[in-house]
Amino acid sequence: DTEVTQTPKHLVMGMTNKKSLKCEQHMGHRAMYWYKQKAKKPPELMFVYSYEKLSINESVPSRFSPECPNSSLLNLHLHALQPEDSALYLCASSPLGRDLQRTNYGYTFGSGTRLTVV
Amino acid sequence: GQSLEQPSEVTAVEGAIVQINCTYQTSGFYGLSWYQQHDGGAPTFLSYNALDGLEETGRFSSFLSRSDSYGYLLLQELQMKDSASYFCGTAGGYQKVTFGTGTKLQVIP
Repeated sequence: DTEVTQTPKHLVMGMTNKKSLKCEQHMGHRAMYWYKQKAKKPPELMFVYSYEKLSINESVPSRFSPECPNSSLLNLHLHALQPEDSALYLCASSPLGRDLQRTNYGYTFGSGTRLTVV
Repeated sequence: GQSLEQPSEVTAVEGAIVQINCTYQTSGFYGLSWYQQHDGGAPTFLSYNALDGLEETGRFSSFLSRSDSYGYLLLQELQMKDSASYFCGTAGGYQKVTFGTGTKLQVIP
């Protein structure tokens, strides 16, 4: 299995709703990521998990809450979002190597959740 | 911080060769990666340069010069399906990738 699966593919939510985005991979990757991408812009890093521990939080507002229940799953809990949070949310995974010079740094991305906040 | 600059758009003819440049300013640099993203799709990893020089993967090649803080992606024998956005990205600690501004490549017949 060489895929990262994200659900749902599309989500419309109100500003008072609580919802969760889910991401799953079975490649044995020990690093998982959440990125946010606005139209015609590059993906922007939100969170990094390595060995199921949060290692990087790019100053993301607390209305976004990540969770990594195990090495295969990554969730992003959403609460009280704003319309400007509407975007494509991408999950990715990668192996973690000991030798940074030779490690293949390729991410495998999921197809994303297109979120619209109304 | 990290910043990576790319040309916003490039147009090339089917069958030709095109080069997409990336200049960067970054600390904690481990290497330069390249991703392809079709409209509405997920980014797909293309290549990674940890060391200076050229890496070749089929029709795609990628180059890195650390002394010049510069890299490029070379696409040969362009096909219509190569029309997409291309992002360079730096690899940092925990494999944190910061993406460049992106280049939209249009391949025309």
